[in-house]
Amino acid sequence: AQTVTQSQPEMSVQEAETVTLSCTYDTSESNYYLFWYKQPPSRQMILVIRQEAYKQQNATENRFSVNFQKAAKSFSLKISDSQLGDTAMYFCAFMLGNSGNTPLVFGKGTRLSVIA
Amino acid sequence: GAVVSQHPSRVICKSGTSVKIECRSLDFQATTMFWYRQFPKKSLMLMATSNEGSKATYEQGVEKDKFLINHASLTLSTLTVTSAHPEDSSFYICSASVTSGRETQYFGPGTRLLVL
Repeated sequence: AQTVTQSQPEMSVQEAETVTLSCTYDTSESNYYLFWYKQPPSRQMILVIRQEAYKQQNATENRFSVNFQKAAKSFSLKISDSQLGDTAMYFCAFMLGNSGNTPLVFGKGTRLSVIA
Repeated sequence: GAVVSQHPSRVICKSGTSVKIECRSLDFQATTMFWYRQFPKKSLMLMATSNEGSKATYEQGVEKDKFLINHASLTLSTLTVTSAHPEDSSFYICSASVTSGRETQYFGPGTRLLVL
């Protein structure tokens, strides 16, 4: 079975600074996808970034980028130029890649507070 | 990204009544949808995988007779909480899979259920 571990329950960062959220996972599969989702106080789950395991290049989406270390099974999220609207719960998630119709396995989440 | 709606967003009911929650993929077809439950300040817990035209697959510990899932079309899955009790009060979230090379799950906005 796959597991996802987020070791930082809470983090804070000053506005405009950079912060990195950690995530490690465990799997014996080679074909999978990794995601970071953001859950603001509205509780809507919002996709932040997506990484295919077969791609060596780290995914980036504007101020969000990942450091994907497949051998180490590590998938950290870097948020640059942090904004107050980035305050949310962040979940790292794993999905097997056989068909896309497999459920996500979530970490416990990291609560990020951006301070003005 | 793809849009998933969920209705109702909030429901309050009396103990013993049944509540139906709808999950719709608005701009894509989803052969598979997922139902999650989230307790306050916790991660998402998978309840079941809903497959169009077939029976849902329930996670261990989830009562299939209590949480009825119907996936009647490629854009609609419903979760019915039968004979609801106060311990069923929670936040229920659905997600739908986008496949065909862009394997990703998109989430509905969630339904907050309060059973009195």
